[in-house]
Amino acid sequence: TQLLEQSPQFLSIQEGENLTVYCNSSSVFSSLQWYRQEPGEGPVLLVTVVTGGEVKKLKRLTFQFGDARKDSSLHITAAQPGDTGLYLCAGARGDYKLSFGAGTTVTVRA
Amino acid sequence: DVKVTQSSRYLVKRTGEKVFLECVQDMDHENMFWYRQDPGLGLRLIYFSYDVKMKEKGDIPEGYSVSREKKERFSLILESASTNQTSMYLCASSPPRGKGTQYFGPGTRLLVL
Repeated sequence: TQLLEQSPQFLSIQEGENLTVYCNSSSVFSSLQWYRQEPGEGPVLLVTVVTGGEVKKLKRLTFQFGDARKDSSLHITAAQPGDTGLYLCAGARGDYKLSFGAGTTVTVRA
Repeated sequence: DVKVTQSSRYLVKRTGEKVFLECVQDMDHENMFWYRQDPGLGLRLIYFSYDVKMKEKGDIPEGYSVSREKKERFSLILESASTNQTSMYLCASSPPRGKGTQYFGPGTRLLVL
């Protein structure tokens, strides 16, 4: 059983559309990270959120940490084919270990 | 930029062979981690180390061991490779007080025949 549940598992959209990926848990995290991973490569860090209710923007990507620090979302505006990849969320619970979600595979069609 | 490198991108080994996977980071990070990644299962922690010569078991340590003789280098050892150890292996490092943020290497795709 995953400590962090990501939804949806797969997402296929047309270029220019918006999308949202969710990361939920019953546990409280001291911080939460989002990574993007391309096939055959390691995950690349996108953002770390620390404060409940925090919103961070990275160009067309918006990340939100829930008020209770149990959940997070990633919203992509006007998706492009370069956004294609596996999106992983990971939560830290006070120490330096992370618990990972199973990931959301995003495909953006040109 | 943090750089984490792994000794091989692809490896093919025979059942029963001893396999060494090496990871090097250049940011003087105290913490280093080994994960395996399998479809539908996400990343699972095998071992981690928070200092030289220190190691702790993760969630799935069976069949693996590790070595950390120098701060920058963390090795994963498969004592006797088995087919169920075919996987993508990922190394990561993190600084102390880094809010849990980890930086990953490019991964080693291991096939055990």
